[in-house]
Amino acid sequence: EPEVTQTPSHQVTQMGQEVILRCVPISNHLYFYWYRQILGQKVEFLVSFYNNEISEKSEIFDDQFSVERPDGSNFTLKIRSTKLEDSAMYFCASSEGWGSQPQHFGDGTRLSIL
Amino acid sequence: GESVGLHLPTLSVQEGDNSIINCAYSNSASDYFIWYKQESGKGPQFIIDIRSNMDKRQGQRVTVLLNKTVKHLSLQIAATQPGDSAVYFCAENLSGYSTLTFGKGTMLLVSP
Repeated sequence: EPEVTQTPSHQVTQMGQEVILRCVPISNHLYFYWYRQILGQKVEFLVSFYNNEISEKSEIFDDQFSVERPDGSNFTLKIRSTKLEDSAMYFCASSEGWGSQPQHFGDGTRLSIL
Repeated sequence: GESVGLHLPTLSVQEGDNSIINCAYSNSASDYFIWYKQESGKGPQFIIDIRSNMDKRQGQRVTVLLNKTVKHLSLQIAATQPGDSAVYFCAENLSGYSTLTFGKGTMLLVSP
C-alpha cells in the first residue's frame, strides 16, 4: 500500500539553528500538509499546500516556518532559528483531494531542540 | 510513542470484547470526520471516515456513529484484538477547508 515517508526519523539540533524536515507524499496525491504534536498534546495543523502554493496555515505557522516542493516528489518543512518550544513530532500528510478527503500520514520526524 | 500523554483517557478490554471509543467534537459546522489509530512510534493511521449526511458507517470490524445533535462521534471495534492496542483520535473537518482538528485521543489497551 502506498505510504507517506518522512526523513529523518529523529533530528537533534541546537537552538538557533535551521532544520529541514523532508517528506515524500503518496505519488498520486496533490495536497500536502504538515502537522505537529508536542509531547502529551493534540496533533495540531500547521499548513496545507497545493499547486506550489500555501493554501491554509495556522497561527503556529509564522515567519519562522516555510514549506517547499523542490522537485516532483519531495515536500519539505524548514524551521529557521529553532527554539526550545519547537521540539515536537512533525507529521507530513497527503490527500488526493481537497477538504473532505482522508489525509494519510507519515510516521513523523521527532525534532529535539537542545 | 510521542502521542501518548500522561493523562490520556484509557479503555482497557479483554481480547474478543467489543470496544467503544467516544469523541466529542468542537465545531457544530464540521461536516466530515475521521478516526485515526496511532501505534507507538508511528503516525496516525486512517481507519474510517464519515460525512455529516450519514449517522453510521461500517468498515471491517469497525463502525462509526455520528450524533450531530450532541456533537458526538463513536468508534466501535468488534472482537477487539491485541493488535488493536493503540491511541485512537477523532478528527473533524469543515467543508471548504483542509484543516483537520484533532481530539485529545483515547488509549485502548487490549489484554489477551
